[in-house]
Amino acid sequence: GAVVSQHPSWVICKSGTSVKIECRSLDFQATTMFWYRQFPKQSLMLMATSNEGSKATYEQGVEKDKFLINHASLTLSTLTVTSAHPEDSSFYICSAGFRGGQETQYFGPGTRLLVL
Amino acid sequence: EDQVTQSPEALRLQEGESSSLNCSYTVSGLRGLFWYRQDPGKGPEFLFTLYSAGEEKEKERLKATLTKKESFLHITAPKPEDSATYLCAVQTWYGNKLVFGAGTILRVKS
Repeated sequence: GAVVSQHPSWVICKSGTSVKIECRSLDFQATTMFWYRQFPKQSLMLMATSNEGSKATYEQGVEKDKFLINHASLTLSTLTVTSAHPEDSSFYICSAGFRGGQETQYFGPGTRLLVL
Repeated sequence: EDQVTQSPEALRLQEGESSSLNCSYTVSGLRGLFWYRQDPGKGPEFLFTLYSAGEEKEKERLKATLTKKESFLHITAPKPEDSATYLCAVQTWYGNKLVFGAGTILRVKS
């Protein structure tokens, strides 16, 4: 149980294009989904928290207009990197928390983005 | 500000050589402490959640313990497949986000 998937696992795009990453909780309904970014040999940096049906809460320093988050259902959240630039190249990981109580976050396998 | 510090940064063990990883934390109100394992190029894999001082949890060769200031991840007779980065994270009562430590890179040689 508690499986989270991400799609795609790898994406290469040209500078200036937009990229959408999907995060799905496969066998449970997620109260909240989180988006992280991880640079090589560094720990996870939380970008935003998203709740189903409401606007995402972004961490300080994260551009809302650049990283668009949509949480349309209890099992799906999407992150769109708009007008991507080489500095946006990174490993993006989502996680999903169980509904209610003391939530454990379960992580997806991550998406490697390379912007040329 | 909530802080999580993990030590050592890296640890090399021989197969069968037991050791411990440390996670010290400073938070305004601990809701839970989490241990994850992360393999290169993959998302973190959930290991344990600890909620109160004195609590212990075990899974195969791993045992996690919690005090009011720190948590330990004990690895007994490790095998090469235990090689990974081990991440510690805390969650407070003031929000449901996780604050991560920098991680400990564990290498177990046969």
